[in-house]
Amino acid sequence: DAGVIQSPRHEVTEMGQEVTLRCKPISGHNSLFWYRQTMMRGLELLIYFNNNVPIDDSGMPEDRFSAKMPNASFSTLKIQPSEPRDSAVYFCASSTKPAGALYNEQFFGPGTRLTVL
Amino acid sequence: QKEVEQNSGPLSVPEGAIASLNCTYSDRGSQSFFWYRQYSGKSPELIMFIYSNGDKEDGRFTAQLNKASQYVSLLIRDSQPSDSATYLCAVITNAGKSTFGDGTTLTVKP
Repeated sequence: DAGVIQSPRHEVTEMGQEVTLRCKPISGHNSLFWYRQTMMRGLELLIYFNNNVPIDDSGMPEDRFSAKMPNASFSTLKIQPSEPRDSAVYFCASSTKPAGALYNEQFFGPGTRLTVL
Repeated sequence: QKEVEQNSGPLSVPEGAIASLNCTYSDRGSQSFFWYRQYSGKSPELIMFIYSNGDKEDGRFTAQLNKASQYVSLLIRDSQPSDSATYLCAVITNAGKSTFGDGTTLTVKP
């Protein structure tokens, strides 16, 4: 199994540009999570999907952030317009269980390191 | 108060010693507790989970949960240099939200 796949692995962009991060979950996993990790704030849950449906987006910092999951094998996280404070590592994770299940092991992708200049 | 707090670290132990990592949480409705290990520059990987009060052992790792005290810990016996990493405590609430602590960085010195 290839595991969770994320692209790009690194992204450097200028303030104001649109950024799109991509994620392919593990086949058969029906929950998908987007996280952001920074030194200051640690690992923060942004949004999660169950069966392609967004369940909780309360962690999305503001309207500049949006996420979609058009099918079971693909999700995107978009930032428009990007700002320097969005610089972070963005992780995608998937799980076979719904987010609130008692045992919900999440498998993380390698992450996308985003730098906004 | 943060929802999940971990001992600030960094924690340094000699090879072969027991490393003790601690985590407290604020939501009494929390039901599942996880320990993830994250090597520098890598993604988190699950090493233990627990949801019943008491101890759960897996090889050199023991997770301990005390829901009355809202406390979960991870013990690593016979610590090895390869255990050097940041350990993240994660809590799943009844609402299904997963919240991570800031992590404790462990260094095991040969």
